[in-house]
Order: sequence, then structure tokens, then C-alpha cells
Amino acid sequence: EDQVTQSPEALRLQEGESSSLNCSYTVSGLRGLFWYRQDPGKGPEFLFTLYSAGEEKEKERLKATLTKKESFLHITAPKPEDSATYLCAVSRGGANSKLTFGKGITLSVRP
Amino acid sequence: DAGVTQSPTHLIKTRGQQVTLRCSPKSGHDTVSWYQQALGQGPQFIFQYYEEEERQRGNFPDRFSGHQFPNYSSELNVNALLLGDSALYLCASSPRGRGAETQYFGPGTRLLVL
Repeated sequence: EDQVTQSPEALRLQEGESSSLNCSYTVSGLRGLFWYRQDPGKGPEFLFTLYSAGEEKEKERLKATLTKKESFLHITAPKPEDSATYLCAVSRGGANSKLTFGKGITLSVRP
Repeated sequence: DAGVTQSPTHLIKTRGQQVTLRCSPKSGHDTVSWYQQALGQGPQFIFQYYEEEERQRGNFPDRFSGHQFPNYSSELNVNALLLGDSALYLCASSPRGRGAETQYFGPGTRLLVL
């Protein structure tokens, strides 16, 4: 069965203090690894799709990387508006394309 | 370009009742998936619809059923509601072909069962 584990559960940073969020996964035949941002009471907002080990993608202060066993979401010089829950998910793709999510990491950035 | 839309935004029901939630996919998308998200948890896959048929189903009882219409919109029906069905219900859509693996989520419907 596909499994996704995210750590830490919660992270508190000072504005400007860079850090990384971890996502470890077990899946047979990875088709894609996905990062989403979710604000309280809202639906997940798509950030990145990573397809193969060694791939990296960037968007503003966020950079996602992928290895064969885990993914990292690096946050450089975070701002208070980066406070949210960050979700990681995996998919096998094709006819079996459901997303399997981790529990998420709640990030709080203090001004 | 309108994103995924869901209705209603909030809903309160009592145990034993039935509920129908609605979803319109993002323009150009033909596949719709439904997820249940309990408080403090990641979304759990319920089922996926493609070409008006259920293509894949997660570990949810038969009380959860769905439908997809020719215009790709979808409904989620839950019968005989239980207190444990209280959650945020999310609809996600994805396109055919390139990028089909990436799912885009709507704002969700918050269901409270009393």
C-alpha cells in the first residue's frame, strides 16, 4: 500500500529563517510526487509536480526536490504570508491515478 | 479561466439523512476525483470519474456514491449520514493527456452531521 509520511508535524519559523519540510514516500511505480499548500478551511492549492529523482522545481521562495525515497520543500527567507499547511501526495498514474496524501506540515512564520 | 467550483460551501445535516454535493471541473478537464478531509488529516480518496463512469474507488462504504454528467460536472451522494461523515469534502479535476496526473482542487464543501 502506498504511504506518505511528512515531518515535522508543525514548524515555527522567524521571518527570514530558511528551513526544509520533509516528505518520505513508499509507492510502487511512482508516476508523480505533488506538493500543495492549504490555508485553513480552503481547498489545497497546487504548487509542484515532480516526476523523477534529481528533479527540482522553484516558485518564488519555494524549491521542491525529489530523491527515490523522499522529497524536500525548501523555504528560503519565509514571510508571514507563507504560513499554511503544506501537503505532499504521490500517484501511480494511469488507471490508478488517485492521490495518496500525507497528514501535512503546519508552517507558522512569525514577523 | 474559472477553477474548480463546488456547492454548497457549507451544509448541516442530521444523522440518517442524505446529502448531495456538486462539483464543476476546471475548463478543459474531463476527470473528477472526490476526497474526504477530516480535521488535522490529509485528504482521503473516495472515487474518481472519467467518461461518466467510476474508474477507481477508495476504501469507502457503498453509502458513498457518485455520478458524472456529459458536461464533466459531478455529484457526490452520501446516504444514511453518520457523525463520522463530518468533514471537508474536496473535488479535484485533471485534464486529458499532458499533465493528466496533476489534480486541481476546489474550495471544498464543509459538512457537519449532528
